[in-house]
Amino acid sequence: NAGVTQTPKFQVLKTGQSMTLQCAQDMNHNSMYWYRQDPGMGLRLIYYSASEGTTDKGEVPNGYNVSRLNKREFSLRLESAAPSQTSVYFCASSVEPADSGNTIYFGEGSWLTVV
Amino acid sequence: ILNVEQSPQSLHVQEGDSTNFTCSFPSSNFYALHWYRWETAKSPEALFVMTLNGDEKKKGRISATLNTKEGYSYLYIKGSQPEDSATYLCALPDYGGSQGNLIFGKGTKLSVKP
Repeated sequence: NAGVTQTPKFQVLKTGQSMTLQCAQDMNHNSMYWYRQDPGMGLRLIYYSASEGTTDKGEVPNGYNVSRLNKREFSLRLESAAPSQTSVYFCASSVEPADSGNTIYFGEGSWLTVV
Repeated sequence: ILNVEQSPQSLHVQEGDSTNFTCSFPSSNFYALHWYRWETAKSPEALFVMTLNGDEKKKGRISATLNTKEGYSYLYIKGSQPEDSATYLCALPDYGGSQGNLIFGKGTKLSVKP
């Protein structure tokens, strides 16, 4: 019953450091997402992948890169971390795009602090 | 970007109380509305996806209604229990924006006191 698994769960970075958040789903879903959650804000989409080999920018893509490595895995990379990227990051997946009325299934979140 | 409003921002009720909260959205060009339940330190969990005006969905003591013509959805919890304490999120597809994107409201945080 793994569903969507993301790592690490907690990370502290220094400004300028780089890191990659890993995400994998075992539900054979086509679409995968990276969201961030900040206090007082709704979940906001960083990047989206409709299928293996495709990625699209979301609302807040600046400072991030993504890789859809295969159908299961979708990673998020911070090349040069900034304090503004302190947030909780959620990976998610759905059978088909969420704008078609499909349910999104979320991972448990990764708490990232940039100092 | 679509404007999704949820009210109230937070709610404190006693165990056994019934409660409800609102998600408001532009009524034009509606496609679907999602409700999620999010407990701190856990994954947001899907409750309902609603697509038709007049839809009513139920899951145990939680139910939801949808009015697409006036642009709102209500989530009801009957006989609240402490385990219902969570943030309830609604979300709608972002028409004209990123394909696949859901725009989430800021949520209603429910606290149920024993």
